[in-house]
Amino acid sequence: KAGVTQTPRYLIKTRGQQVTLSCSPISGHRSVSWYQQTPGQGLQFLFEYFSETQRNKGNFPGRFSGRQFSNSRSEMNVSTLELGDSALYLCASSSTSPETQYFGPGTRLLVL
Amino acid sequence: DQQVKQNSPSLSVQEGRISILNCDYTNSMFDYFLWYKKYPAEGPTFLISISSIKDKNEDGRFTVFLNKSAKHLSLHIVPSQPGDSAVYFCAARAPGTYKYIFGTGTRLKVLA
Repeated sequence: KAGVTQTPRYLIKTRGQQVTLSCSPISGHRSVSWYQQTPGQGLQFLFEYFSETQRNKGNFPGRFSGRQFSNSRSEMNVSTLELGDSALYLCASSSTSPETQYFGPGTRLLVL
Repeated sequence: DQQVKQNSPSLSVQEGRISILNCDYTNSMFDYFLWYKKYPAEGPTFLISISSIKDKNEDGRFTVFLNKSAKHLSLHIVPSQPGDSAVYFCAARAPGTYKYIFGTGTRLKVLA
């Protein structure tokens, strides 16, 4: 079974631009969660989608948004990028049992 | 407000000895706890979990202990191996949600 895939793996943007990151979950998994990892902050929960609906949301500004498609693939969008948005963005998928999440390799975003 | 804390940013242990990684949390309503291991340039990998109704869970060389009165959990690795060198994250699930709150991680180095 293929794991969680994320594209692109690396991205460089400038302040004020927007970016869209993509996540393909493990086949059969319907839940996709997104996290931001920055040095010293650990993984910060962004949001979680299940069957195209956002079920949970973290404490991030509205510039961070996401969606999930009918095939469970998910996208995350960040608008009006700021320098502080530079981070590793991880997505994780899980099946109906939420106890175990499987993470993708992440997308490393650098905002200049 | 960091609800899940890993107060030791790093730990060094000799090969063959026990590694003990600690995690403290503030919310007594957390109902599920997980440990992840993360290598550079990879997403976190699930290691072991424990429900709040238990105080111990064992899987091979890995054992997680939960002390609910102290709001503390620990991961024991016995015996430690050089391949265990990685960053370890603990995570707690807010009850009734699919939202996981992660600690900031502890970097374990196992010396050969």
